[in-house]
Amino acid sequence: EIVLTQSPGTLSLSPGERATLSCRASESVSGSYLAWYQQRPGLAPRLLIYGASSRATGIPDRFSGSGSGTDFTLTISRLEPEDFAVYYCQQTGFSPETFGQGTKVEI
Amino acid sequence: QVQLIQSRGEVKKPGASVRVSCKASGDTFTDYSFTWVRQAPGQGLEWMGRISPYNGNTHYAQKFQGRVTMTTDTSSNTVYMDLRSLRSDDTAVYYCARDLGFAELSLGFWGQGTLVTVSS
Repeated sequence: EIVLTQSPGTLSLSPGERATLSCRASESVSGSYLAWYQQRPGLAPRLLIYGASSRATGIPDRFSGSGSGTDFTLTISRLEPEDFAVYYCQQTGFSPETFGQGTKVEI
Repeated sequence: QVQLIQSRGEVKKPGASVRVSCKASGDTFTDYSFTWVRQAPGQGLEWMGRISPYNGNTHYAQKFQGRVTMTTDTSSNTVYMDLRSLRSDDTAVYYCARDLGFAELSLGFWGQGTLVTVSS
């Protein structure tokens, strides 16, 4: 199975700062099949980015995704208070459709 | 709009089985696949498998093979996940989720989650 490794495990930043989250795959993943999710405490995950770089409906443009092959990045250009949460990447190109272990963005 | 409404939480004893349901509305049920994802307390997301209501095809994570069955009822637009031989480490919130769109397998819509507690 494809293992997705996210780094860092925790990112400590302040509102207004830029956040850069990494997701590295153990094998090449088509960018069409790489997604990012945000999960706030007590809530279900929410799709942010699909196809590596396309924002889902209603997602602010401060969120952007990039990358290809085995290296993918989620960038939050200017952190808002509601952005402090856990972020997961997922590949849907191969079964099992694995998730990364998550990156917590904290104040 | 698309909504996924899951069944209420359950408490089960080790060795028992649990069925979690997920009722979909707001779109053509058979056009999209559904996925089950679970999250143990304080842990990350774990993919369990997916099912297509169109033809009933399923793909399960090897970890759950033989213990999980996913089914759909097209008359009620409901997806079911049955997990057998429950253990304490099956205690988790179980989510159903739907593909974002046709041929777009990212999980664009999520249910509210169902807490399954396995305890003697």
